[in-house]
Amino acid sequence: SSELTQDPAVSVALGQTVRITCQGDSLRSYYASWYQQKPGQAPVLVIYGKNNRPSGIPDRFSGSSSGNTASLTITGAQAEDEADYYCNSRDSSGNHGVFGGGTKLTVL
Amino acid sequence: EVQLVESGGGLVQPGGSLRLSCAASGFTFSSYEMNWVRQAPGKGLEWVSYISSSGSTIYYADSVKGRFTISRDNAKNSLYLQMNSLRAEDTAVYYCARDSSGYYYGHYYYMDVWGKGTTVTVSS
Repeated sequence: SSELTQDPAVSVALGQTVRITCQGDSLRSYYASWYQQKPGQAPVLVIYGKNNRPSGIPDRFSGSSSGNTASLTITGAQAEDEADYYCNSRDSSGNHGVFGGGTKLTVL
Repeated sequence: EVQLVESGGGLVQPGGSLRLSCAASGFTFSSYEMNWVRQAPGKGLEWVSYISSSGSTIYYADSVKGRFTISRDNAKNSLYLQMNSLRAEDTAVYYCARDSSGYYYGHYYYMDVWGKGTTVTVSS
């Protein structure tokens, strides 16, 4: 399968920890990358590879992977973390990119 | 500053054509693979096309294969997307994104630099 599946919406209380998951067969072969997108803005890479953060991304963002599931964890969620989050990988052939449907994170 | 700037979007009738451009600056464009990604209004991200650093390897999503053509001019630090036979469902914001991939404890792949996008509207 070339699909990545995410929960449509997740909520978290301010300062608490939230995990956003992404499932797909291709994740057995490729690490997922994770993107944050706020309304009207371009996506921003927040996690890539085994668990790497680009420069400027707070260390409350972390990634993990097990089998066909990748997870993005925000430890101590802040109001500014409210956004849509997308996972991304290549499909099983390695030739096509594929995105999850996105998870809308609400910080209460 | 590392930057990607898309241009060329606009309103086009169904069946029409449009050519998008993406100007790269602040990095060695010729060393990087590139992608086009789109986002329909109120929808999620959709990968559209990929081109290798030399332009010798190209891939397309099934939804655009045979209608869209990706290309690049490394001398001009530019990426292009020629879109023909446009349909209403091609209406979206189109982003160009820099690609990185490799192997370190497993295959990794990510898009670390994105433009702000250009809007394509297909409507009569």
